Amino acid sequence: QVQLQESGPGLVKPSETLSLTCTVSGGSVSSGGFYWSWIRQPPGKGLEWIGYIFYSGITNYNPSLKSRVTISVDTSKNQFSLNLRSVTAADTAVYFCARTVGTSVYEFDLWGQGTLVTVSS
Amino acid sequence: SYELTQPPSVSVSPGQTASITCSGDKLGNKYVSWYQPKPGQSPVLVIYQNSKRPSGIPERFSGSNSGHTATLTISGTQAMDEADYYCQAWDSSTAVFGGGTKLTVL
Repeated sequence: QVQLQESGPGLVKPSETLSLTCTVSGGSVSSGGFYWSWIRQPPGKGLEWIGYIFYSGITNYNPSLKSRVTISVDTSKNQFSLNLRSVTAADTAVYFCARTVGTSVYEFDLWGQGTLVTVSS
Repeated sequence: SYELTQPPSVSVSPGQTASITCSGDKLGNKYVSWYQPKPGQSPVLVIYQNSKRPSGIPERFSGSNSGHTATLTISGTQAMDEADYYCQAWDSSTAVFGGGTKLTVL
């Protein structure tokens, strides 16, 4: 079965770049019909969608984060990645990667377990 | 920006029916999904496209959406259903989540 696993540093300094990778196993990021998303949840707060990517490189970002976010895909490694620039303490959160399925309407049908990233000096 | 509003908490007795609402402007014109994140676990999709259940989700979970309100209904609530629940919809190609509802089974 398809599984997603997030990886990356658990601690990032303010003003630096947060970088995370999601490895897809049991399936392919190049599978048509799927987008691949990043979603985060600050401690004690709700979920926030960051953006998604298609294997061809097409991206769509949350307007509230668009100026600081880049999502990329590496089909050879079956991975997709998140870069969030100029982080502050407000970016401290559990970051999830998720498979996004649908045609005109999408849902997040498979999620990783999430990884906590703390922004602190 | 588009907003989805959920009650912060809902309580239900075991075996009873729990209803969790999600409100938004003309929400009935959109498709709504519901998610169940549990601490330390992968969040689970429990309802999509307003009322469809993914494979493996018990029949006691159902959903509806009309007007300005979507509702997640859990019939015969069990202790294992105690969790946070989030509604989600798309607006202008952006995924929007509600603030979440903590379901307590007591």
